Amino acid sequence: DAGVTQSPTHLIKTRGQHVTLRCSPISGHKSVSWYQQVLGQGPQFIFQYYEKEERGRGNFPDRFSARQFPNYSSELNVNALLLGDSALYLCASSLRDREGNYGYTFGSGTRLTVV
Amino acid sequence: AQKVTQAQTEISVVEKEDVTLDCVYETRDTTYYLFWYKQPPSGELVFLIRRNSFDEQNEISGRYSWNFQKSTSSFNFTITASQVVDSAVYFCALSETHSGNTPLVFGKGTRLSVIA
Repeated sequence: DAGVTQSPTHLIKTRGQHVTLRCSPISGHKSVSWYQQVLGQGPQFIFQYYEKEERGRGNFPDRFSARQFPNYSSELNVNALLLGDSALYLCASSLRDREGNYGYTFGSGTRLTVV
Repeated sequence: AQKVTQAQTEISVVEKEDVTLDCVYETRDTTYYLFWYKQPPSGELVFLIRRNSFDEQNEISGRYSWNFQKSTSSFNFTITASQVVDSAVYFCALSETHSGNTPLVFGKGTRLSVIA
């Protein structure tokens, strides 16, 4: 069975540009969450989606947005990129929105570098 | 507010030594889950264990063991007879369950280097 798939694996963008990151959850998982991991830090929660609805948002600016599609895959969009957006972006899927009951499975992430 | 503290930034041990990674958490919820993840250089977070707040039994899985103590809000992780393949960054995380939305709150991680 395929795990959580993220694309692209690496990306280099220029300040001010826009980026779209993609995530396909494990088959049967209906919840997708996005995390940002800056070098040397633990992952920080950005968004959670369940059944195509936003269920939670972390402390990130409005430049960050996301959506979930009918097949439960998800996109994370970041506008007007800043140097500080350089990070590993991790996607996690779970069966339901109550992740504490079922746990998360993470993808390998997209490493975004803003220059 | 939720908070997870991993005071050890980096630990270096010689192969076959035992090593304990510390995790202290803060939460106002009475029901919560604690996790440990391993992050190898590839970047993927590998799930190791999930423990709910009502189960304080210690757990052992092969060379790995976990000590959960609610009285001290700690959830420590011990690797026995460490191996070079154990070298990675280890994260402790907390998830509250007061609502349907339970994002993980991570500590800053502990980088473990096992030297042959």
